[in-house]
Amino acid sequence: AQSVSQHNHHVILSEAASLELGCNYSYGGTVNLFWYVQYPGQHLQLLLKYFSGDPLVKGIKGFEAEFIKSKFSFNLRKPSVQWSDTAEYFCAVPGLPGNTGKLIFGQGTTLQVKP
Amino acid sequence: DTEVTQTPKHLVMGMTNKKSLKCEQHMGHRAMYWYKQKAKKPPELMFVYSYEKLSINESVPSRFSPECPNSSLLNLHLHALQPEDSALYLCASSRGEFIDSPLHFGNGTRLTVT
Repeated sequence: AQSVSQHNHHVILSEAASLELGCNYSYGGTVNLFWYVQYPGQHLQLLLKYFSGDPLVKGIKGFEAEFIKSKFSFNLRKPSVQWSDTAEYFCAVPGLPGNTGKLIFGQGTTLQVKP
Repeated sequence: DTEVTQTPKHLVMGMTNKKSLKCEQHMGHRAMYWYKQKAKKPPELMFVYSYEKLSINESVPSRFSPECPNSSLLNLHLHALQPEDSALYLCASSRGEFIDSPLHFGNGTRLTVT
């Protein structure tokens, strides 16, 4: 069965620090990977996605993620975080091969950025 | 702001009440979804509609009844809910269920069952 795990449950950083959030997946089909962000009181927004091609994916707000097939990983990175990046971050994979609507989300990582 | 509109934003209902949650999108998306999110937990899929037909029901109790009147609208009818059904109910849409198209989420309806 498809699954995804996020190892960092709660991360606290100071502004300008670098960020890396871990995501590992177990997936039996064509790999589609997503990072979603949920700012306090707001809707889930797509940060970035990987469907194929360049394994280094750039998303919105300066975020990027690298798909490393050999490690089954899709870690999220940002060189310098801002206070406004405080949010819940979810990694996700399709629950069925090719079904990008039936998403399985990781447990989420709460990022707190201190000003 | 999101292009998926959910109403109401908040709903409090008793266990004997009947209520409905509504979701609307005008992006021409042909797949629509209901997810449930408990506090401090990730969203969990409940239902998928594809081209206005129910495609996936994740073994959701019958006290939750989805409806897709047309390609832009998705409803979730609620009846005889339990307090443990209190959660944030998220609607989402995408171009298609099997298209490489990400989900667009609404802001959700925060439901409290008393």
